[in-house]
Amino acid sequence: DAGITQSPRHKVTETGTPVTLRCHQTENHRYMYWYRQDPGHGLRLIHYSYGVKDTDKGEVSDGYSVSRSKTEDFLLTLESATSSQTSVYFCAISDRTEDSGANVLTFGAGSRLTVL
Amino acid sequence: AQKITQTQPGMFVQEKEAVTLDCTYDTSDPSYGLFWYKQPSSGEMIFLIYQGSYDQQNATEGRYSLNFQKARKSANLVISASQLGDSAMYFCAMREGGSQGNLIFGKGTKLSVKP
Repeated sequence: DAGITQSPRHKVTETGTPVTLRCHQTENHRYMYWYRQDPGHGLRLIHYSYGVKDTDKGEVSDGYSVSRSKTEDFLLTLESATSSQTSVYFCAISDRTEDSGANVLTFGAGSRLTVL
Repeated sequence: AQKITQTQPGMFVQEKEAVTLDCTYDTSDPSYGLFWYKQPSSGEMIFLIYQGSYDQQNATEGRYSLNFQKARKSANLVISASQLGDSAMYFCAMREGGSQGNLIFGKGTKLSVKP
């Protein structure tokens, strides 16, 4: 169990309001990721982090910012939410598996965000 | 151009039969990894199997195997002896270059297992 917790799990908000999603991990993983999942698009990378205060943009970063002030927490912020940001957001950490020896992404349970 | 292509939006398979889910990829990087994830209706993403570009043998993990054809750039997932619990979305993904790079996902295939 990679110990990844996302909060909130569900949120409904209005256009123009700020929203912050939190990803918390308990196993000191260096790499953390935020993806969004939309029908017909699979999962797309928003931002990722490779250490405290070290972050970089992904494929769909416009309208999103992130912060990582502690190893265990990776925050995703929508400064002014829009309806196009209605989605399911997944946090992930990179973890080495014993079987394959590969670094595999382990995902949190997801946060469903609805922007009205 | 899409990096990962899954051409089957939906598939049906009879319980206890085998099924192949297609995945083709596009990369010029000689070092890459290929992954399959399962997403049941409950929504969580479950890692199934991994294949490295330099691996000589096809990966297997229980009832899952990855049919890796490097020259064709395909990484099909084979599920043997399908079970009702295999009904889910299946995503193929690729990591290019370094071992900590992010995953690029395909759009997924919805598998339905019929009793």
